[in-house]
Amino acid sequence: GQNIDQPTEMTATEGAIVQINCTYQTSGFNGLFWYQQHAGEAPTFLSYNVLDGLEEKGRFSSFLSRSKGYSYLLLKELQMKDSASYLCAVRDGNAGNMLTFGGGTRLMVKP
Amino acid sequence: EAQVTQNPRYLITVTGKKLTVTCSQNMNHEYMSWYRQDPGLGLRQIYYSMNVEVTDKGDVPEGYKVSRKEKRNFPLILESPSPNQTSLYFCASQPQGRSGNTIYFGEGSWLTVV
Repeated sequence: GQNIDQPTEMTATEGAIVQINCTYQTSGFNGLFWYQQHAGEAPTFLSYNVLDGLEEKGRFSSFLSRSKGYSYLLLKELQMKDSASYLCAVRDGNAGNMLTFGGGTRLMVKP
Repeated sequence: EAQVTQNPRYLITVTGKKLTVTCSQNMNHEYMSWYRQDPGLGLRQIYYSMNVEVTDKGDVPEGYKVSRKEKRNFPLILESPSPNQTSLYFCASQPQGRSGNTIYFGEGSWLTVV
């Protein structure tokens, strides 16, 4: 099985930087994903890490440390439209490469 | 256009009345799965399928059935729905192998059981 933890809620100010952490425990780690989800909509893919280090994609970056079972999503130059839930998900190679999601972090961006 | 299509998008039904939520993908993906999403609990996997005629239980399979007779379709069946199955349901598909780092979600199906 897998255990994935991330904060339930965070608040940040427009234009600022916010870091959303995710810790996990899994027996067959085969990649970590970050998804953005606006209320009532399907999750949309943000990033994928399978090796240690930082992956940068525009205003969003994601970091992975496999030895620590830790990842973070970094959002820069926050915009109001970034208010959403951010889901950390881990793929388990011992379970058919299926994903297990954390509970999600609801981010509120304030003016 | 790459798509995962699920129907119905919205449904109110009564306890005990069998229903099926269909899911179809046009990308020839091997993997398909069903999730339910409830407030504070995130996305929880119900069932998944690694290929035709290969299905397995996820984290919360009780009260659900699935079938995978064709590669493109993966219907979710609620034989006797109960109010605790009121939820938002997502179907997802992904390719097998090294290219399998992108998961495609359907738009979601809001189900209310009264």
